Amino acid sequence: GESVGLHLPTLSVQEGDNSIINCAYSNSASDYFIWYKQESGKGPQFIIDIRSNMDKRQGQRVTVLLNKTVKHLSLQIAATQPGDSAVYFCAEKAGTALIFGKGTTLSVSS
Amino acid sequence: KAGVTQTPRYLIKTRGQQVTLSCSPISGHRSVSWYQQTPGQGLQFLFEYFSETQRNKGNFPGRFSGRQFSNSRSEMNVSTLELGDSALYLCASGTGGQETQYFGPGTRLLVL
Repeated sequence: GESVGLHLPTLSVQEGDNSIINCAYSNSASDYFIWYKQESGKGPQFIIDIRSNMDKRQGQRVTVLLNKTVKHLSLQIAATQPGDSAVYFCAEKAGTALIFGKGTTLSVSS
Repeated sequence: KAGVTQTPRYLIKTRGQQVTLSCSPISGHRSVSWYQQTPGQGLQFLFEYFSETQRNKGNFPGRFSGRQFSNSRSEMNVSTLELGDSALYLCASGTGGQETQYFGPGTRLLVL
């Protein structure tokens, strides 16, 4: 079964809104998590990562939150733009392998 | 710095044939991992190579194999192709430590 999964397969937002994409993981021993963005016809693109000794990390317009108590990860995108439309995956590092959830498709309408 | 490159980008094969895909990692990266992406199963880990040695392997049959060369370039091979092998095959490179992996554009394989 999946070690890492996303709560919603799709998310539709209006341009300018804030988006929140959620992910649950099952391995409490996991200590490194990554969010990727995949556009049609391309490979996954690194967005942001977080280690288990942190509960929040901010990038440019993106924030990742980690709640180890409930094994939950979220990606927040501020002022969502049409160019943010893509499939978003969370991944957990298990040894040297990445375990991916099935992804959330973010659609941004203007 | 150039990103991860994969060749070919598209490939069409028939059942029973074999195929070899190539991946060149980011300069200085010694770890190369391979993933299979399908609509039904999502992204699944195939194997990882570091310094020419397979360091980790996912749950795929022995028809899937790989290797890594001294310049860190990697190839993966799939023998006796099946229809279900149709997928996007992604290569990712990293330094080999506890850090992220950077993906190439993938090779889209269609098995007829």
